[in-house]
Amino acid sequence: EAGVVQSPRYKIIEKKQPVAFWCNPISGHNTLYWYLQNLGQGPELLIRYENEEAVDDSQLPKDRFSAERLKGVDSTLKIQPAELGDSAVYLCASSSDPWAEQFFGPGTRLTVL
Amino acid sequence: GIQVEQSPPDLILQEGANSTLRCNFSDSVNNLQWFHQNPWGQLINLFYIPSGTKQNGRLSATTVATERYSLLYISSSQTTDSGVYFCAVEENTGNQFYFGTGTSLTVIP
Repeated sequence: EAGVVQSPRYKIIEKKQPVAFWCNPISGHNTLYWYLQNLGQGPELLIRYENEEAVDDSQLPKDRFSAERLKGVDSTLKIQPAELGDSAVYLCASSSDPWAEQFFGPGTRLTVL
Repeated sequence: GIQVEQSPPDLILQEGANSTLRCNFSDSVNNLQWFHQNPWGQLINLFYIPSGTKQNGRLSATTVATERYSLLYISSSQTTDSGVYFCAVEENTGNQFYFGTGTSLTVIP
């Protein structure tokens, strides 16, 4: 069984440019999570989806971040425009039920210059 | 939000040694999970353990929800156990999931 897939694995952009991250969860997992992890810290939840519905996005900086999960499978997280402080690893996870055992993808390491 | 503190922050072990990692949380939670992040950044779920004790090979975990702590035991440590161990909790409202501060483990041969 394939795990959570994320792409790209690495992205380097200049500030003020847009960037997008893609996640494909484990087949059959209805719950999808996006996390941000800064160096030396634990992941922080940005948004959680139940199927195609965003059920908690209180931690998502909505002025520049957006996310979607069309058809309740793949998801895309977008930043526009990117700032220097957005440099971090963006992690996607999925689970069969809300807050059940979570499986993480390898992450996308973003560097904003 | 809930405060999740882990101790010790750093740990160096000789291969074959045993260790105990602790996770304290500041409020009642619905569930608790332990994760291992390997040196390449991959997070692996070790245990889903809202209460009680579970064992998986050389690892075991105990959560005492009423006293707001969880313990992760690693026995006969191996170099592949190196990495950062996180506990994470779901708050009672079911709307947030908080990771702890992490314990960085290095196992030397």
